Amino acid sequence: ETGVTQSPTHLIKTRGQQVTLRCSSQSGHNTVSWYQQALGQGPQFIFQYYREEENGRGNFPPRFSGLQFPNYSSELNVNALELDDSALYLCASSRPETLVEQYFGPGTRLTVT
Amino acid sequence: GENVEQHPSTLSVQEGDSAVIKCTYSDSASNYFPWYKQELGKGPQLIIDIRSNVGEKKDQRIAVTLNKTAKHFSLHITETQPEDSAVYFCAASIRNNNDMRFGAGTRLTVKP
Repeated sequence: ETGVTQSPTHLIKTRGQQVTLRCSSQSGHNTVSWYQQALGQGPQFIFQYYREEENGRGNFPPRFSGLQFPNYSSELNVNALELDDSALYLCASSRPETLVEQYFGPGTRLTVT
Repeated sequence: GENVEQHPSTLSVQEGDSAVIKCTYSDSASNYFPWYKQELGKGPQLIIDIRSNVGEKKDQRIAVTLNKTAKHFSLHITETQPEDSAVYFCAASIRNNNDMRFGAGTRLTVKP
């Protein structure tokens, strides 16, 4: 069984740029959630995708957007990057019968300069 | 919304001793409480979870207890080993996992 994978591992962007992060869910999982984890803090919920539609959103501005594809993989897009967007971005997937049990990928470390 | 508080922020124990991490939550509608272990450079790993219809759950050296009346839950690790050293996060989910709230984390160090 393949686990959750994310790409790229690390990324450096300049303030004002746009970034796309990618996530492949674990085999058999159809729900993907994205989290932002600032240094020394717990993950914060950004949004969740289920059946290719957004299924809940945390307290993040509209410049954070996402997509889910028919194969359940997902993208997180962030426009107009700000310095405070520097963080570890985590993707978590879950099975349809146990939505709450989330399995995380290794994350993408985004640095905004 | 839900607010999860976690204590202590750092914990150092001797190998073989027990470690206890405590969390409180604010929303009585929360019904799922997972614990995650995060090692350096990795994503959080689900190590144990408990649902609101259960008071205690155990898996080998790890156990979790839940007190719904007091709105707190705890992680207990017995016979700690150096490889238990990591950051541990508690979380609470309201109704489903649309908005899972995490504690700030506890850095556990097990000294050999």
